[in-house]
Amino acid sequence: NAGVTQTPKFQVLKTGQSMTLQCAQDMNHNSMYWYRQDPGMGLRLIYYSASEGTTDKGEVPNGYNVSRLNKREFSLRLESAAPSQTSVYFCASTLQGNQPQHFGDGTRLSIL
Amino acid sequence: SQQGEEDPQALSIQEGENATMNCSYKTSINNLQWYRQNSGRGLVHLILIRSNEREKHSGRLRVTLDTSKKSSSLLITASRAADTASYFCATPPYGGSQGNLIFGKGTKLSVKP
Repeated sequence: NAGVTQTPKFQVLKTGQSMTLQCAQDMNHNSMYWYRQDPGMGLRLIYYSASEGTTDKGEVPNGYNVSRLNKREFSLRLESAAPSQTSVYFCASTLQGNQPQHFGDGTRLSIL
Repeated sequence: SQQGEEDPQALSIQEGENATMNCSYKTSINNLQWYRQNSGRGLVHLILIRSNEREKHSGRLRVTLDTSKKSSSLLITASRAADTASYFCATPPYGGSQGNLIFGKGTKLSVKP
């Protein structure tokens, strides 16, 4: 079992470029989440999808969009990247609300 | 909207010693979770304690929850170098039921051989 797989692992962008971070889980989980982690900070929730077909904003949604493509996949899109979006991005999933979350190993994104 | 706050921010101990980390939170919760993060990796779930539980054990881990003080502690007994990692507590936001969590800033634990 791969668990939660994130691609790419590393990416460097220029300001204004766009890109999509991919996340897939093979545990038949219903809920999926995107977080960002900045140095010395805990994780902050960007968007989440409680079930297939639904998405909701988290604490820091500005500058991001998401798509729950199907039950397995949840992508995060940066339409016009800004240096403030330099961060490590984590995707997580859980079977249902309030259960433990399973995390991918992150995408390290630098925006110059 | 910070919910959990860990203390201390950093902890350095010798192998074999016990490590205690604390977490305080602000609003009523139905559960509190602890996670570990090794350098360069994603978070790994360690233990979940429900609001009606006071203590829970898992191997060398012991978690306590005091809802009257809105605090929790994570004790790692007989620590090993492999326990070196950052530890985070996480709680659902007030009234939250969809599984989204609010994480603290973490305690960075260093266990020296």
